[in-house]
Amino acid sequence: KAGVTQTPRYLIKTRGQQVTLSCSPISGHRSVSWYQQTPGQGLQFLFEYFSETQRNKGNFPGRFSGRQFSNSRSEMNVSTLELGDSALYLCASSSGQYQETQYFGPGTRLLVL
Amino acid sequence: DQQVKQNSPSLSVQEGRISILNCDYTNSMFDYFLWYKKYPAEGPTFLISISSIKDKNEDGRFTVFLNKSAKHLSLHIVPSQPGDSAVYFCAATSYDKVIFGPGTSLSVIP
Repeated sequence: KAGVTQTPRYLIKTRGQQVTLSCSPISGHRSVSWYQQTPGQGLQFLFEYFSETQRNKGNFPGRFSGRQFSNSRSEMNVSTLELGDSALYLCASSSGQYQETQYFGPGTRLLVL
Repeated sequence: DQQVKQNSPSLSVQEGRISILNCDYTNSMFDYFLWYKKYPAEGPTFLISISSIKDKNEDGRFTVFLNKSAKHLSLHIVPSQPGDSAVYFCAATSYDKVIFGPGTSLSVIP
C-alpha cells in the first residue's frame, strides 16, 4: 500500500496570510490526525478526523481548522498566520479503531516570515 | 502541564552498547503506549508498542518495559547501531487521545 502523502512538502508564507495543507491517508484508513512539531514543543496534537467528522481536538486556537472529505483525504487550514506557526505539520492515518497504530506522512514544513 | 515526559533531550551511546530511552506519564487513564522513531525531514515511524496489561514487549533489538505503578516506560535498544541515530518519541493513548512526549535525540557513535 502507498503510504501517507502530504502536499506541499515545503511552504513559505508571510504573516497574516492563510495556508491550506493536504494529507492523503493510506488506502482504507478512515482516521486522519494532524500534529504540529516545533523544536521547543515537540509533537502537539491538533485534531483528528474520522469519517468526515472531527472526533478529537487539541488546544490550538480557532485559526487552525480542518476538514475531511468522503475519500478520507484531509486538509488543514491556518488563517492569519503568525511567526510562531512556523513548524513541521504532520498528518497520521489509521483505521480509526482503538489502539490502532498511526502511520505518519513526511510532513509539510511551513515557514512564516 | 506535560502528560508525557521524556526528561533526557539527548543521549549518546557507543555502537554495540545498550541504549535506554525513558518516558514518564502522569495520567493513569493511559492504557497503551507506543514508541516512534523520527529522522530529520521525515515523519515519525512506528517502532514498538505495549499494552498496559503487559510489562514487557520485545521485537528484535527493541524491547519496551512498562512499570505501571511508577508510570514509567523505557525503550531498550540492544545492540545499538549508527542507523539508530534519530529522535525517539514515546506516545501514550487512552480512548480519546494520543499524547506524545517531547522526544529524545539518540546519537550512536561508531
